[in-house]
Amino acid sequence: EDQVTQSPEALRLQEGESSSLNCSYTVSGLRGLFWYRQDPGKGPEFLFTLYSAGEEKEKERLKATLTKKESFLHITAPKPEDSATYLCAVQASGGSNYKLTFGKGTLLTVNP
Amino acid sequence: DAGVIQSPRHEVTEMGQEVTLRCKPISGHDYLFWYRQTMMRGLELLIYFNNNVPIDDSGMPEDRFSAKMPNASFSTLKIQPSEPRDSAVYFCASSSSRSQYFGPGTRLTVT
Repeated sequence: EDQVTQSPEALRLQEGESSSLNCSYTVSGLRGLFWYRQDPGKGPEFLFTLYSAGEEKEKERLKATLTKKESFLHITAPKPEDSATYLCAVQASGGSNYKLTFGKGTLLTVNP
Repeated sequence: DAGVIQSPRHEVTEMGQEVTLRCKPISGHDYLFWYRQTMMRGLELLIYFNNNVPIDDSGMPEDRFSAKMPNASFSTLKIQPSEPRDSAVYFCASSSSRSQYFGPGTRLTVT
C-alpha cells in the first residue's frame, strides 16, 4: 500500500527565515510526486510535479527536490503570504493508474 | 477558464436525508476525481472517472455512496442515507495529464 508521511505537522517561521518541509514516501514504483498548497477554506492548488530522483523544480521562493525515498520543499526567505498547508502526494506507476495518495500536510505559519 | 466548479459550497442536513454534491470539471479534461477531506484521515480519493467511465471506486466507503458522470461536463456524488460520520469537505478535481486541479469543495455537515 502506498504511504506518504509529512513532517513536521506544523512549522512556525519568522519572515525571512528559510526552512524545509519533508515528505517521505513508500510506493511500489513512483510515477510522480506532487506538491500542493492549500489555503483555509479552499481546494488544494497545484505547485509541482517531480518524476525522478535528482529532479528539482522552482517557483518563486519555493524549490522542490526528490530522492528515491523522500522529497523536500525548501522555502527561501518566506513571506507571510506563504502561510498555508502544504500537501505532498504520490502517484504509483502501472497501467493507467491516476490515483494520488496524499500525506496529511504541513501547516506553515510565517510571522511578519 | 473558470476552473473546477462545485455546488453547493456548504450543505447542512439531518441524518437520514439524501445529499447530492455536484461538480463541473475544467473543459477538455478527461479525468474527474472525488475526494473527501477530514482532520483525522486527511485527503482521501473516493472514486475517479476517465471519459465519463468509473475506473476506480475502491475508496467509496460503503453502498450509501454513489457517483455518476452522465457527460463530460457534469458529475454528482450522492449519499443516501447520510450519517453524522459523513461530515467532511468533499472535493472534486479534474485532469488532462498527471496533474490534478481541485475545486473549492463542499463542506457537508450532517446533524
